[in-house]
Amino acid sequence: EAQVTQNPRYLITVTGKKLTVTCSQNMNHEYMSWYRQDPGLGLRQIYYSMNVEVTDKGDVPEGYKVSRKEKRNFPLILESPSPNQTSLYFCASSPMGTYNEQFFGPGTRLTVL
Amino acid sequence: SQQGEEDPQALSIQEGENATMNCSYKTSINNLQWYRQNSGRGLVHLILIRSNEREKHSGRLRVTLDTSKKSSSLLITASRAADTASYFCATDAMDSNYQLIWGAGTKLIIKP
Repeated sequence: EAQVTQNPRYLITVTGKKLTVTCSQNMNHEYMSWYRQDPGLGLRQIYYSMNVEVTDKGDVPEGYKVSRKEKRNFPLILESPSPNQTSLYFCASSPMGTYNEQFFGPGTRLTVL
Repeated sequence: SQQGEEDPQALSIQEGENATMNCSYKTSINNLQWYRQNSGRGLVHLILIRSNEREKHSGRLRVTLDTSKKSSSLLITASRAADTASYFCATDAMDSNYQLIWGAGTKLIIKP
């Protein structure tokens, strides 16, 4: 089944404890991206990647890192999480950038205490 | 930066009625996309309409695009309880550098 998977789905952590949210797609898509969703603000893009080893900042990259060493995986890393990073996170992929529909993962609900 | 703005923010209608949501944007676009999100879940793509298209249909969904007014509408006909969700528009602006710009969404409630 064609899909985007994210892990974990739910995470409660404490300020400053490094964490990684994994994202994987099995559709051989070139483009992958990370969003955060906060009430009343819609989706805001954190980082995106046009292809392996190519990543770019979105609108809200501060406090986040990403890597794209393989086409299928695009992990989101929070080196030192803070409470303002409490949010719902989505990974998405598409065949060719924003020219096509985006396929979304199920989301990761992160709480930073 | 927020490009798309949905209107209304919330809409409550009876099952069987039609629901119309609007999206306005600020700059020239390559395409505009509509997505549905059930509470707290991942977004599901509904329709993509390109800048040279004026109308597209998919089942009970009809999307129009007016590039002169920089606006789009999503019509859901014969609504069902399962249509209860939030609906988002996303624009692929011509100067966006491979980023979609999202609106804050319309929350649609279908009353049985």
